[in-house]
Amino acid sequence: QQKVQQSPESLIVPEGGMASLNCTSSDRNVDYFWWYRQHSGKSPKMLMSIFSNGEKEEGRFTVHLNKASLHTSLHIRDSQPSDSALYLCAASVVRTGNTGKLIFGLGTTLQVQP
Amino acid sequence: NAGVIQTPRHKVTGKGQEATLWCEPISGHSAVFWYRQTIVQGLEFLTYFRNQAPIDDSGMPKERFSAQMPNQSHSTLKIQSTQPQDSAVYLCASRDWGGQDTQYFGPGTRLLVL
Repeated sequence: QQKVQQSPESLIVPEGGMASLNCTSSDRNVDYFWWYRQHSGKSPKMLMSIFSNGEKEEGRFTVHLNKASLHTSLHIRDSQPSDSALYLCAASVVRTGNTGKLIFGLGTTLQVQP
Repeated sequence: NAGVIQTPRHKVTGKGQEATLWCEPISGHSAVFWYRQTIVQGLEFLTYFRNQAPIDDSGMPKERFSAQMPNQSHSTLKIQSTQPQDSAVYLCASRDWGGQDTQYFGPGTRLLVL
């Protein structure tokens, strides 16, 4: 079973709409979450990271983290066709012994329709 | 900054042949990670080095796979006696330990074992 679960598997939103993606870790040692975006045929690129409870906003992207439930979500407002991609959530252990490696979920495929 | 460099970009081997994949990390980055990506399994951690020393190889198949980092400017992943199930995109990432935690991915090597 994947230690990092993402939902939904795929998502279609209209241009200008809001996309909401979810991610949960089953590993209680995890204390850092990452969101990567991977366009078709390209390598993953880091969008945002979060390790504190609460919310972090960068432009059209907002990330939430609930450390008690090890749940993070990524919200993209005013979605653009260029946002169409595979969104990967990754978890790592940083504070209690930095293991370095990222454990990825299977991803959410986002399609933004013009 | 050229980013992480991986060669070759594509490799086709016959079953039972050896494949060697190369990675050049971003200059100044002290940690190098290897991942494998398939449609079914997603993005899986294989192994990583820090300051050229192997730190965690928990994701490496015990037989046939080996990785080395002979100097700070390159790492290799070697697969002996390749099998069709080894077909995947092999991604290398590097990061600056102690600075930003972000891992930067290379373009990947697409390996096809016939």
